[in-house]
Amino acid sequence: LAKTTQPISMDSYEGQEVNITCSHNNIATNDYITWYQQFPSQGPRFIIQGYKTKVTNEVASLFIPADRKSSTLSLPRVSLSDTAVYYCLVGERDSSYKLIFGSGTRLLVRP
Amino acid sequence: DGGITQSPKYLFRKEGQNVTLSCEQNLNHDAMYWYRQDPGQGLRLIYYSQIVNDFQKGDIAEGYSVSREKKESFPLTVTSAQKNPTAFYLCASRGVARGEKLFFGSGTQLSVL
Repeated sequence: LAKTTQPISMDSYEGQEVNITCSHNNIATNDYITWYQQFPSQGPRFIIQGYKTKVTNEVASLFIPADRKSSTLSLPRVSLSDTAVYYCLVGERDSSYKLIFGSGTRLLVRP
Repeated sequence: DGGITQSPKYLFRKEGQNVTLSCEQNLNHDAMYWYRQDPGQGLRLIYYSQIVNDFQKGDIAEGYSVSREKKESFPLTVTSAQKNPTAFYLCASRGVARGEKLFFGSGTQLSVL
């Protein structure tokens, strides 16, 4: 059973801001929300992580509402190299070690 | 150079054959994971291990087996019982403190001859 729900795909243009939302109704109280980026034939790599409210780093921002049942990854001014699959990841309620990925969101950035 | 090493990068299996995928990490991580990825699909959890000599089934464990005899190593065997093994296999590890991130290897592409 999927623990997270994301849009299957999104299209954007270079220079635009992209927001990808993930739903995670069964998130455990102490779990962080982590986003990963994956290019074809490579392992996913870490983008950003948060617990509540807002987190910002050099590549993205993460917005988490008070109920923590969803989160939104924001990519400012995307470029062609941001074309990838993006996954949000949370732990299961009964075990924070069992890490289940959703189907991810395929982002296509056009010139 | 710390990280996770998966080998081989490409592997071919004959029908009825068991094959073993290697995963080694020098990050001193307690937890290790195996995921399977089919073309155009997301990652599905096969097995995971929180500590040496202990491991749990993920969502698609049938046809696979693992061992965790050393902290650094978590090999995955794809047995002959796995009828559709062609996929991209990813190994990952992380520390067990709250908020620890997953680190992934570069993957093994398994194909059936």
